[in-house]
This record gives sequence, structure tokens and C-alpha cells, in this order.
Amino acid sequence: QQQVKQSPQSLIVQKGGISIINCAYENTAFDYFPWYQQFPGKGPALLIAIRPDVSEKKEGRFTISFNKSAKQFSLHIMDSQPGDSATYFCAAKETSGSRLTFGEGTQLTVNP
Amino acid sequence: EPEVTQTPSHQVTQMGQEVILRCVPISNHLYFYWYRQILGQKVEFLVSFYNNEISEKSEIFDDQFSVERPDGSNFTLKIRSTKLEDSAMYFCASSPVAQPRFFGPGTRLTVL
Repeated sequence: QQQVKQSPQSLIVQKGGISIINCAYENTAFDYFPWYQQFPGKGPALLIAIRPDVSEKKEGRFTISFNKSAKQFSLHIMDSQPGDSATYFCAAKETSGSRLTFGEGTQLTVNP
Repeated sequence: EPEVTQTPSHQVTQMGQEVILRCVPISNHLYFYWYRQILGQKVEFLVSFYNNEISEKSEIFDDQFSVERPDGSNFTLKIRSTKLEDSAMYFCASSPVAQPRFFGPGTRLTVL
């Protein structure tokens, strides 16, 4: 019940295209859903996060879509650029508590 | 831009030996975390630390593990008697709020 399932494991997109990464969860106590971006040799960096009282959050080219009834959320990267090539992790956190439960990660490659 | 730093970048040790992984969080941050990632697996929560005490720990964080903030700037993770299965990338994170925002680049621990 604590798991967060992420797909796809890897994704190849052409420059200018839309990258979509999906996550699903079971634990209804989760109330904070961040996405992290990780470049090789670096730690994960918080990219964008959403709480379940909204269905969408946009920051620049990055958008989180959240479907509370389906217990799913996704990251959309518009106008994908080669510099977006990285590993992306979704995560979730319960209302009480400080631990993040991470998804498996998606390796995104944006071809020029 | 301030960063979380970790030393060493790679630590090789013999099974049964003690290791100390060091982290320098971002100044003025109040929340500190350790996560780890075994090769090919998910990022896993180990422990969170706030107000000079552990606020939450996972099932992984048994008596072999301890954390300390010895001097107000460093944040350390000690593993008293390492096992083969402790081999992983260990990430420190810090944040001004109760969700990890900034991760360090990690320490790769190899237990032989």
C-alpha cells in the first residue's frame, strides 16, 4: 500500500515533443506529490510538486496533472529539450510524517 | 546557488567495519534527511532529523545506524557494522520546510 508505481522506465522523445511520465499510488493518506529531476553524478532536485486539492499545477514547461479518484498523477514536459535529458522520480508523502516514497524512476532522453 | 555537499564521494569498506558518511546541509535549513538507493532499485527513506532529534525513521534504520549533527553544520550517518547489503548510494537532503528540497550528490558505499 505504501508503493508508488512509475512508468515508463525509459522514454525517448524528439526535441520539441511532449514527455509524459505517469505515477500511481494506493495509499489515500498521501497528500504531497513531488517530482524530482536527477542528472548523472548529482542528487535529485525538486522540480515541481502538487497537493491533492488541485488537479493541475504548471511551472514553465513542466505540468503536473493529478487525478485523485484514479490515484494517479503525471508529469508533462512541454517543448522537451535535450537539456531535459535526465532521470525523473515521482514521490509521495503522507499528511503525518516526513518520509517520501519514491517511484522507480524514468530515464528521459530528448534527441536533438 | 547553495548546495548540499557530501563526503566522501565513494567509500569502500570491509564487511563489519564502521563507516561515517558526512553531509553539509544548506545553511539555515532546519530539516535533514538520509535516503539511499541500492543499484537498480528505488530511492528509499532512511531517517529524518529536525530540532536536533530524529523525527522519523524507516524499518531499514535499525540499531546499526545512527545520525548526528555534531557541530551545527555537519550532518553524519554512521553505520556501525556494515553488511554487504548496505552497499548503495546514500543521499543526504536538507530543506527549510518539512519536505526534502535539496539533495546532495551522494556517497557511493561499497561493502566488500
